[in-house]
Amino acid sequence: DVKVTQSSRYLVKRTGEKVFLECVQDMDHENMFWYRQDPGLGLRLIYFSYDVKMKEKGDIPEGYSVSREKKERFSLILESASTNQTSMYLCASILDRGEGGNQPQHFGDGTRLSIL
Amino acid sequence: AQSVAQPEDQVNVAEGNPLTVKCTYSVSGNPYLFWYVQYPNRGLQFLLKYITGDNLVKGSYGFEAEFNKSQTSFHLKKPSALVSDSALYFCAVNSYGQNFVFGPGTRLSVLP
Repeated sequence: DVKVTQSSRYLVKRTGEKVFLECVQDMDHENMFWYRQDPGLGLRLIYFSYDVKMKEKGDIPEGYSVSREKKERFSLILESASTNQTSMYLCASILDRGEGGNQPQHFGDGTRLSIL
Repeated sequence: AQSVAQPEDQVNVAEGNPLTVKCTYSVSGNPYLFWYVQYPNRGLQFLLKYITGDNLVKGSYGFEAEFNKSQTSFHLKKPSALVSDSALYFCAVNSYGQNFVFGPGTRLSVLP
C-alpha cells in the first residue's frame, strides 16, 4: 500500500520565518502535489511536480516555493511566513498522469501550520 | 475550467437511515469523478471513482455513487448509515491532462 508521510503533524512558527514542510512517498510515484485546505474552500493546489527538479505552479503559488531533488521527496517552502498562511497543508502523490488522471491521489495525514 | 459544487455544507442523518451527499461538476471533455473521505486530523482517503462504464459504482465501506451525465452529478450514497461514517466528504473531478479540482466538502453527521 502506498504511504505518503509528512514530517510534522503540527507546526507553530512566527511571522517572517522561513518554513519547510517535508513530504516523502514510498511507491516511486512520478507526480507529487501540495495543497492547502481551508474550511469552506476545499483543497487548493499550490504546486505540483511531475519529475525530479521539475515543478509547476498550481492555483495559489504566491508566497510559496517547492523543491524536488529526489523522486520520493517533495518539499514546500514558505519563504517568509505570514499569518494568512495558517492552514492545513496536504501532500499527495500519484503514479502517472499519463493515463489521463483516472487514478486516485494518495494523501499524507497533513501538517497543521500556525503562523503567529 | 473544471469546477465542483457540493451544495450542502452539512448533512445530518439518523443511524440506519440511507444517506446521500450531493456533488455536481463542470468539465470539458469526459470526466473522471472521485469521492474521498477525511476523518479528523487525517488526510483524504479514496472511497470510489467513476471513469467509464456502469453509472453506478461501488466503493469502500459500503458506499456507492451514481454518475448522471445529463445532470452532471455524482452523488454519494449509502443504504444504511453508521455513526462511524461521520466525517468530511470531498468530491473531485479530473479529465485528461488536467489536475484534480476538489469541491468545498460536506460534513456528514450520523446521529445515534
